[in-house]
Amino acid sequence: DGGITQSPKYLFRKEGQNVTLSCEQNLNHDAMYWYRQDPGQGLRLIYYSQIVNDFQKGDIAEGYSVSREKKESFPLTVTSAQKNPTAFYLCASSRTGIGGDEQYFGPGTRLTVT
Amino acid sequence: GENVEQHPSTLSVQEGDSAVIKCTYSDSASNYFPWYKQELGKRPQLIIDIRSNVGEKKDQRIAVTLNKTAKHFSLHITETQPEDSAVYFCAADPYSGNTPLVFGKGTRLSVIA
Repeated sequence: DGGITQSPKYLFRKEGQNVTLSCEQNLNHDAMYWYRQDPGQGLRLIYYSQIVNDFQKGDIAEGYSVSREKKESFPLTVTSAQKNPTAFYLCASSRTGIGGDEQYFGPGTRLTVT
Repeated sequence: GENVEQHPSTLSVQEGDSAVIKCTYSDSASNYFPWYKQELGKRPQLIIDIRSNVGEKKDQRIAVTLNKTAKHFSLHITETQPEDSAVYFCAADPYSGNTPLVFGKGTRLSVIA
């Protein structure tokens, strides 16, 4: 289970609060990704970054923000604008972002907002 | 953009039987098709992948077939075991440009002992 870590494993927040999920990788991968997983919905892409200081919106970016200041780190902020933030969040990385590379996933963070 | 459909959403098989999960994709430029297995509470992990220059790939009890003309690919698991119980995701990757993997919605496989 080496290479890509997420913390914390479980996170609880009150409605209206912003919360930041951590994702770190030591694989020297250029590309990193954030997915949201809900039952029966598969893996939905929130944001992705192919190089440092650059990132693009995925399919469900509204209510989320990211930064990529370091190659190793890709934190995700769930803002109060996200209507249904309770979900399982998975971070992933790949050697490059140009296609054909395996994505390595972190262990995930389960966020509960009440 | 790419769209990946995966069927069935749930699948139950008896231990020792075979399981087949099918996926279709829409973008003919897609060139790389991985399969991920996610056990309960764990992270998805790559189990097998195939590129468009081959029609079939095997790794012990699992195999993937690809039909580029029909734009579909399938995962075959033979001699299923209880530890094969998990959610399986297919994905398609255009392998050109900057579009990330597009995942299917997953198949929950239950192997009944």
